[in-house]
Amino acid sequence: SYVLTQPPSVSVAPGQTARMTCGGSNLIFKSVHWYQQKPGQAPVLVVYDDSDRPSGIPERYSGSKSENTATLTISRVEAGDEADYYCQVYDSDSDRPVFGGGTKLTVL
Amino acid sequence: QVVLVESGGGVVQPGRSLRLSCAASGFSFGDYAIHWVRQTPDKGLEWVALISHDGSDKYYADSVKGRFIISRDNSKDTLALQMDSLRPEDTGVYFCVRDRALLMVFYSMDVWGTGTTVTVSS
Repeated sequence: SYVLTQPPSVSVAPGQTARMTCGGSNLIFKSVHWYQQKPGQAPVLVVYDDSDRPSGIPERYSGSKSENTATLTISRVEAGDEADYYCQVYDSDSDRPVFGGGTKLTVL
Repeated sequence: QVVLVESGGGVVQPGRSLRLSCAASGFSFGDYAIHWVRQTPDKGLEWVALISHDGSDKYYADSVKGRFIISRDNSKDTLALQMDSLRPEDTGVYFCVRDRALLMVFYSMDVWGTGTTVTVSS
């Protein structure tokens, strides 16, 4: 089955830039979506189709992708950005969505 | 305001059944496919099932195929997940989630409910 690999944790100081990666085979051929989940809350879509933002998501959130790695970048990090972040794709071979294991972003 | 509200979770013994419901409001429910996604400490977020906007197509994760049934009633803006032969590994928080696409399926999920907790334990 298709696997998405995310680092368990990323730490960044306020005002700095946080970069969280998501690795998968042939990721270049898949649309990557990113979700933010704060403790006790449901996930929220923050980036879809690699780099598009839903309405209401700050421009500080951006997505990019190279051949096998997608990256969620948060500029000018704030305390309120502290959360778990999950990447997700649709795997056509298994015909189902697949989530990464998530990255916990800590704002120092 | 676009809202999904799940209900029906609880504690159940292995092998028993449970029926989850999801009530939608604030959008044209019948225009969107809906997923069930669960979250467990062991596996994180795991997709469970999908039903197309009109209910004609249904898809399931291998882990629940043959045990769970997804259904919807567009006249009542509600979704259901009938869960039979429950196992301890089905324990988790179950989310009702809207697919972002109108009348299609994009497999990106733009509206999530708050979740309902299912615990399968003897």
